[in-house]
Amino acid sequence: GAVVSQHPSWVICKSGTSVKIECRSLDFQATTMFWYRQFPKQSLMLMATSNEGSKATYEQGVEKDKFLINHASLTLSTLTVTSAHPEDSSFYICSARRAGDYEQYFGPGTRLTVT
Amino acid sequence: AQKITQTQPGMFVQEKEAVTLDCTYDTSDQSYGLFWYKQPSSGEMIFLIYQGSYDEQNATEGRYSLNFQKARKSANLVISASQLGDSAMYFCAMRERRAAGGTSYGKLTFGQGTILTVHP
Repeated sequence: GAVVSQHPSWVICKSGTSVKIECRSLDFQATTMFWYRQFPKQSLMLMATSNEGSKATYEQGVEKDKFLINHASLTLSTLTVTSAHPEDSSFYICSARRAGDYEQYFGPGTRLTVT
Repeated sequence: AQKITQTQPGMFVQEKEAVTLDCTYDTSDQSYGLFWYKQPSSGEMIFLIYQGSYDEQNATEGRYSLNFQKARKSANLVISASQLGDSAMYFCAMRERRAAGGTSYGKLTFGQGTILTVHP
């Protein structure tokens, strides 16, 4: 149990376009979802935390107008990278947590390349 | 503020030997949790082991054990009998627990990671 999926697993887009990444909890209800960004051989950096039905809480330095996060249901959160630039190329990982649970379950990640 | 430090950018170990990956943390909270994750080249984050700050015994999960030294604020991961498939990046992470009596948990903060290479 506790499976988190992400779609797509990889995406290439042109500079200036927007791309949406989906994160789904397949067999549990995720009251909280997290979005991370990871550059090669570096650590995971938390971008934002979202609770179902509420606005996401963004970490300092993360542009909320550029990285739009929606957590509309207990099983789905989306991250939209708007007006993508090559420097947005990265590995994006989502994570989900049940209410009252200490453990977070991670998705397989999405590799974004902006050309 | 929380801080997790992994001082070993890379570690090498011979197959079947044990290896210790270091992790120190800094927090003023009394209640917190410590995690270790494995990230192979595919990118998925694999949960390995968890230690709560009030747990008196060191956590163990199969070949993984966590050497928890609270006074020194260290939470080292010990992998026994290393296997070739253990080659990956390993992250230590910490999360605080929110206000007393609350059931919500804070965010997970990760260390810089250690790349482990197991040689045959």
